[in-house]
Amino acid sequence: GAGVSQSPRYKVTKRGQDVALRCDPISGHVSLYWYRQALGQGPEFLTYFNYEAQQDKSGLPNDRFSAERPEGSISTLTIQRTEQRDSAMYRCASSLNPHSSYEQYFGPGTRLTVT
Amino acid sequence: QQPVQSPQAVILREGEDAVINCSSSKALYSVHWYRQKHGEAPVFLMILLKGGEQKGHDKISASFNEKKQQSSLYLTASQLSYSGTYFCGTENGQGAQKLVFGQGTRLTINP
Repeated sequence: GAGVSQSPRYKVTKRGQDVALRCDPISGHVSLYWYRQALGQGPEFLTYFNYEAQQDKSGLPNDRFSAERPEGSISTLTIQRTEQRDSAMYRCASSLNPHSSYEQYFGPGTRLTVT
Repeated sequence: QQPVQSPQAVILREGEDAVINCSSSKALYSVHWYRQKHGEAPVFLMILLKGGEQKGHDKISASFNEKKQQSSLYLTASQLSYSGTYFCGTENGQGAQKLVFGQGTRLTINP
């Protein structure tokens, strides 16, 4: 079946612009996670949802970052007034079940470059 | 708090063994292991849920020492396909769901 998909795969934007990154999880997966990954580093947790409810947003760096998953499927991560330090790979992952015993399937990521 | 992985990098010849360690300063509920090849997404390897649990498939196995707050990943008779960066992700409480990943261990297997 289809895996996790993300769009766009690459995004170049000018400082100060808003960007919206989309994640389409594996069909039927309850949990959806957003991570940011710097080159050569492990994924850094941003936020996650179970169904449409945002459960933990403690990893969002500041209030310019927000995420939603209104119908419990596709999710959007929005960054307002982008800054150069926001440049990174943004990955989402989904898992079938909220329980710890279920693996997370990662998407290919969106490479964001802020100029 | 981010778990600490060691070593940061290791170079092996095909057929040699490797051990990658993951230690946390906080109590762990579960440990997840992932492998990421260059330019690709992390791929799940295994989850350890209980202290003392050991798991494995093919020639990759892992253990979880709950009391010591650490986990180890064992790669036996390494193959070229094992090359990549290995990450442990730790969950600090039951139902926390949030994974905190280590900084990674880069494994290079040479023929």
